[in-house]
Amino acid sequence: GENVEQHPSTLSVQEGDSAVIKCTYSDSASNYFPWYKQELGKRPQLIIDIRSNVGEKKDQRIAVTLNKTAKHFSLHITETQPEDSAVYFCAAPPRRGSTLGRLYFGRGTQLTVWP
Amino acid sequence: DVKVTQSSRYLVKRTGEKVFLECVQDMDHENMFWYRQDPGLGLRLIYFSYDVKMKEKGDIPEGYSVSREKKERFSLILESASTNQTSMYLCASSFRGLAGVNEQFFGPGTRLTVL
Repeated sequence: GENVEQHPSTLSVQEGDSAVIKCTYSDSASNYFPWYKQELGKRPQLIIDIRSNVGEKKDQRIAVTLNKTAKHFSLHITETQPEDSAVYFCAAPPRRGSTLGRLYFGRGTQLTVWP
Repeated sequence: DVKVTQSSRYLVKRTGEKVFLECVQDMDHENMFWYRQDPGLGLRLIYFSYDVKMKEKGDIPEGYSVSREKKERFSLILESASTNQTSMYLCASSFRGLAGVNEQFFGPGTRLTVL
């Protein structure tokens, strides 16, 4: 909802390790949770999203999990590669039923994968 | 393939000048957004529009105005540019649909420097 907190702000991992980024939201009625990746000098692009009727979604090496009770969702990247290095943003909408389409974004996590 | 374009990649203006940033999308999206991106602050919403001639204030509208005369075009206006408006400006668009909130597609960004 209006308050989306993202942690950590920076994350460094060795190539091949896993990385986890977590976001919390304040509005229990929020129903859509996307993750965006922004490589240096490029535009943010959606990498995975989840809606509130699903607890987990996977796409190859990335997955998103949602805990509606605790109001948090997490991005998991396995077998990290140097090309995963980027800034990652989570987001959530203001409230269920909102048709205006806006999202509140977290402040971002700078992920660095060392070879 | 969704395409969101912005009128300039880099722009240098002087304090007090009127500045126009333009954004065009080619996917017939109802929603369009203007964000400002500063290091450590994530993506902050300035204004958004959910239909032609309709606009809503975001979180940091002061010093900005917008115009949406055609569905595909959304303009951000700095009436009197100030040095604290030096930033990266990102435009985005999204489809409304039944879900209400959907993926936002971003433009390449305009890096504005106000001297």
